[in-house]
Amino acid sequence: GENVEQHPSTLSVQEGDSAVIKCTYSDSASNYFPWYKQELGKRPQLIIDIRSNVGEKKDQRIAVTLNKTAKHFSLHITETQPEDSAVYFCAASKGGNYQLIWGAGTKLIIKP
Amino acid sequence: DTAVSQTPKYLVTQMGNDKSIKCEQNLGHDTMYWYKQDSKKFLKIMFSYNNKELIINETVPNRFSPKSPDKAHLNLHINSLELGDSAVYFCASSQDRATTQYFGPGTRLTVL
Repeated sequence: GENVEQHPSTLSVQEGDSAVIKCTYSDSASNYFPWYKQELGKRPQLIIDIRSNVGEKKDQRIAVTLNKTAKHFSLHITETQPEDSAVYFCAASKGGNYQLIWGAGTKLIIKP
Repeated sequence: DTAVSQTPKYLVTQMGNDKSIKCEQNLGHDTMYWYKQDSKKFLKIMFSYNNKELIINETVPNRFSPKSPDKAHLNLHINSLELGDSAVYFCASSQDRATTQYFGPGTRLTVL
């Protein structure tokens, strides 16, 4: 069946450095790729998303890139700050229905 | 002015009991979801509900059933609770397919 693989499961970076999280998907019909951030004890919240007709999207320190041919997309966070520490989830739309296929999550740790 | 709300926030109960979790959204969205997040933080879609169309994840036991009295509410009923049902349950809503999902604060269910 369709699945989304997310790597790494844990990422530790020095404050101020960049962080990159990668996801691959299997459903060639997927056309929507959101990224959610979940802080400890909180709900997941959308931070950025991209659609299949776009290759890259940026919002301040956060960017997402999409390679449709290779079926992978990545989250890039530059100049990381302590408040970036959280679990990040990628997801891909599932064919024609309303559900998203979720990655397993990446715990991002920002070291001071 | 909470967008997606859930009650209760915490639920502690004995094995074998039946319980319900309520979810309401005031965003005017057409689609609502239920997710289960286990101790390893995996986000698992359980149901999505849009305009009376229910999509069930095939791995969800039939002890779980969603009930939607109207477009703004999607409640989750769980019969014969088991230890493995202990998790955080999130409700979410979205305007349409492949758009931002807004999550509720979560309900932490503990089955003793």
